[in-house]
Amino acid sequence: KNEVEQSPQNLTAQEGEFITINCSYSVGISALHWLQQHPGGGIVSLFMLSSGKKKHGRLIATINIQEKHSSLHITASHPRDSAVYICAVDSGGGADGLTFGKGTHLIIQP
Amino acid sequence: AAGVIQSPRHLIKEKRETATLKCYPIPRHDTVYWYQQGPGQDPQFLISFYEKMQSDKGSIPDRFSAQQFSDYHSELNMSSLELGDSALYFCASSLLSADTQYFGPGTRLTVL
Repeated sequence: KNEVEQSPQNLTAQEGEFITINCSYSVGISALHWLQQHPGGGIVSLFMLSSGKKKHGRLIATINIQEKHSSLHITASHPRDSAVYICAVDSGGGADGLTFGKGTHLIIQP
Repeated sequence: AAGVIQSPRHLIKEKRETATLKCYPIPRHDTVYWYQQGPGQDPQFLISFYEKMQSDKGSIPDRFSAQQFSDYHSELNMSSLELGDSALYFCASSLLSADTQYFGPGTRLTVL
């Protein structure tokens, strides 16, 4: 079973700061997902990565397959970025379910 | 663009009752996943279906069953409900070949 570790668990920062959230996993994967969950529960897929780097707006996600590590970066953070960010991995092919990290609670203060 | 639809959004049941949760995937998606997220917990994978066949099974209790229908929608049937079944139940859909899962808004089940 893949073990997914995220750090930090909680992060409070000021508006405009550069944010980094880290994720490591124990077993090789076919894909890694970064998800965002707002209070009230809805989950939004931000990125799906199998290699390299992806950018969407102020969000950047990178993955290092050899080191089994991924990072999610937020540039010019804003209070509306406040949410729980979850790393989840797909450990195999086919319709395998994701294994989730515990999430990082991010609060961006004005 | 059409998203994953779940119904109902909220459900309150008594212990030992049954509940049925429904999930309508994004059109043309062939794979459906069910996840359970207890209060303060990370989501846990329950079960998935590909082309109407069960594909993978996670930590789904024997009291729960699920199926995917010919129109690709899926239903999660939960019987003999327990207090511990109170959770947010997410459905996600994908194209098997594409890996990216798109999540529905969830059904919040409260068992009293």
